[in-house]
Amino acid sequence: QVQLQESGPGLVKPSETLSLTCTVSGGSINSHYWNWIRQPPGKGLEWIGYISDSGTSKYNSSLQSRVTISVETSKTQFSLDLKSVTAADTAVYYCARGVSYVVGTVRFFDYWGQGALVTVS
Amino acid sequence: QSVLTQPPSASGTPGHRVTISCSGSNSNIGINTVNWYQQFPGTAPKLLIHSTDKRPAGVPDRFSGSKSGTSASLAISGLQSEDEADYYCAAWDDSLDGYVFGTGTKVTVL
Repeated sequence: QVQLQESGPGLVKPSETLSLTCTVSGGSINSHYWNWIRQPPGKGLEWIGYISDSGTSKYNSSLQSRVTISVETSKTQFSLDLKSVTAADTAVYYCARGVSYVVGTVRFFDYWGQGALVTVS
Repeated sequence: QSVLTQPPSASGTPGHRVTISCSGSNSNIGINTVNWYQQFPGTAPKLLIHSTDKRPAGVPDRFSGSKSGTSASLAISGLQSEDEADYYCAAWDDSLDGYVFGTGTKVTVL
């Protein structure tokens, strides 16, 4: 059974960089697309971006200038960096495994982490 | 701002059928498959329907998905109290070159 677990600071100051790590267990990170998704309190879901095991990444165009997703296959981890944060970036951040049928696109997310609340204040 | 539009709420009595709509465009639902996620308060979303009409293992067959043109639907038949949750549609958007979610629908069992 694949499991994902987010980790990182729960509080980040405005203008600083939000950094989170997702640790994957119970399966290989050497396939699929590995994603970050966020959900502001009381609001809907927003896809942030993905990275493949080969290091190919794709980001939400609204966040692209501030986001970097990286992967460390040897540690079965991937990470999110979101710079120059504001209060609008306060959200629960989820990591999720993406299943792809067409190269470069994600069809659905089949495994999710439990989520990590990050507050910008 | 979500690209896929859902009604904010839907409700029904136990045993009845509830349908949730998801309206998109030619660049997402019109050309790609649709997925549905179920989310209970304080928990991560769970994949409910993928590839428009396929249920992952363990999902009851009371849940079904369909699409027509640029719209999709999730139907819950034989509604049960444990179905009270938020439901999100989602799909890849070829124009945005990214994954988009619906606005979400809160289902209440009366």
